[in-house]
Amino acid sequence: QKEVEQDPGPLSVPEGAIVSLNCTYSNSAFQYFMWYRQYSRKGPELLMYTYSSGNKEDGRFTAQVDKSSKYISLFIRDSQPSDSATYLCAMSATYGQNFVFGPGTRLSVLP
Amino acid sequence: GAVVSQHPSRVICKSGTSVKIECRSLDFQATTMFWYRQFPKQSLMLMATSNEGSKATYEQGVEKDKFLINHASLTLSTLTVTSAHPEDSSFYICSARTGGRAEAFFGQGTRLTVV
Repeated sequence: QKEVEQDPGPLSVPEGAIVSLNCTYSNSAFQYFMWYRQYSRKGPELLMYTYSSGNKEDGRFTAQVDKSSKYISLFIRDSQPSDSATYLCAMSATYGQNFVFGPGTRLSVLP
Repeated sequence: GAVVSQHPSRVICKSGTSVKIECRSLDFQATTMFWYRQFPKQSLMLMATSNEGSKATYEQGVEKDKFLINHASLTLSTLTVTSAHPEDSSFYICSARTGGRAEAFFGQGTRLTVV
């Protein structure tokens, strides 16, 4: 079992849809969780950062962490074609530790 | 937000030559920098971690004599691919993190093509 798993997609949705992206993990020590967006041939861009369990909202994006289930989610409301990218989850046990990345989910938002 | 600048964005070199890639944190002090390699449609593969003023820590299977990493200041790290071969062609990305923070910020990436 991989340490972090993520549905690779591709996931295609119509413009305006609510998108749910998910990661599961096996290491219960993880407590720092991040979501990155990566456009083709570009470096990843940090979207959301969450510590421990709970929800965090930023504009159209909401990150949820459920440590009891070892499950994190990123919701995108009112999805736009510009949201078409690969979304990577990343997590670490301490702030000084290297991240473990999920394999990424490719999202296409169709106009 | 924090900005990490990576240069060059694209480089083509001849087999056997060396290539240097620079990664700069523009508005924060990067106590830790990471170097990744990414193959098409795959996730990031961590190559090495470097802390300012210390030798880099390489991941298993990464040749430290081939991929030279220098992190001499709090704003600059370099990756030198020595004696490059076509199999070294890839997308290389750096990221930087400041002390006490968990999140890291990425550069734009460098596409290396060895011919």
